[in-house]
Amino acid sequence: NAGVTQTPKFRVLKTGQSMTLLCAQDMNHEYMYWYRQDPGMGLRLIHYSVGEGTTAKGEVPDGYNVSRLKKQNFLLGLESAAPSQTSVYFCASSYRGAVSYEQYFGPGTRLTVT
Amino acid sequence: SQQGEEDPQALSIQEGENATMNCSYKTSINNLQWYRQNSGRGLVHLILIRSNEREKHSGRLRVTLDTSKKSSSLLITASRAADTASYFCATADSNYQLIWGAGTKLIIKP
Repeated sequence: NAGVTQTPKFRVLKTGQSMTLLCAQDMNHEYMYWYRQDPGMGLRLIHYSVGEGTTAKGEVPDGYNVSRLKKQNFLLGLESAAPSQTSVYFCASSYRGAVSYEQYFGPGTRLTVT
Repeated sequence: SQQGEEDPQALSIQEGENATMNCSYKTSINNLQWYRQNSGRGLVHLILIRSNEREKHSGRLRVTLDTSKKSSSLLITASRAADTASYFCATADSNYQLIWGAGTKLIIKP
């Protein structure tokens, strides 16, 4: 039981390049989330999904897209990376919604955009 | 927008002492959750306390919730070096997301 895994762990992009971050969970969770964490700030929600085939915008969705084609996977895409997207990205999942259930986190992806 | 605010931002204590961290929030909530983050790692859930609960325990952790003051506290008793981490509170006011504070950085000195 691996829990929540993220690939890659580190990445350096040049401004304007694109990339996809992959999140996978093996706990059969319905909800999945993408967050970014910047120094001195709490986590900020980028996008989330409440089930296979569904996605929704969080607090800071601009510049990112997501897809959840399979229940166990949640992909985060950056179409044209900007230095402001330098951050640590965390994926999380939960059995159901936040009103009742805790979230399980992946180890994070450290992204630098130059 | 940031809902929770932790206090203090940083805390350094001797091993064996108790550590107390506080969290304040702004709107009504369904529950409040505490998480721990070791340096360079993902977050780990510690405790979830519902809005109709006042206190909850888990091992050396004690969480209180005062909805009238919109505040919560996390007490770690008999601290250990392994407790060195950042601690975050997060509030759930809807089913769809948690709103996070900026965290308290706890350092346990041997």
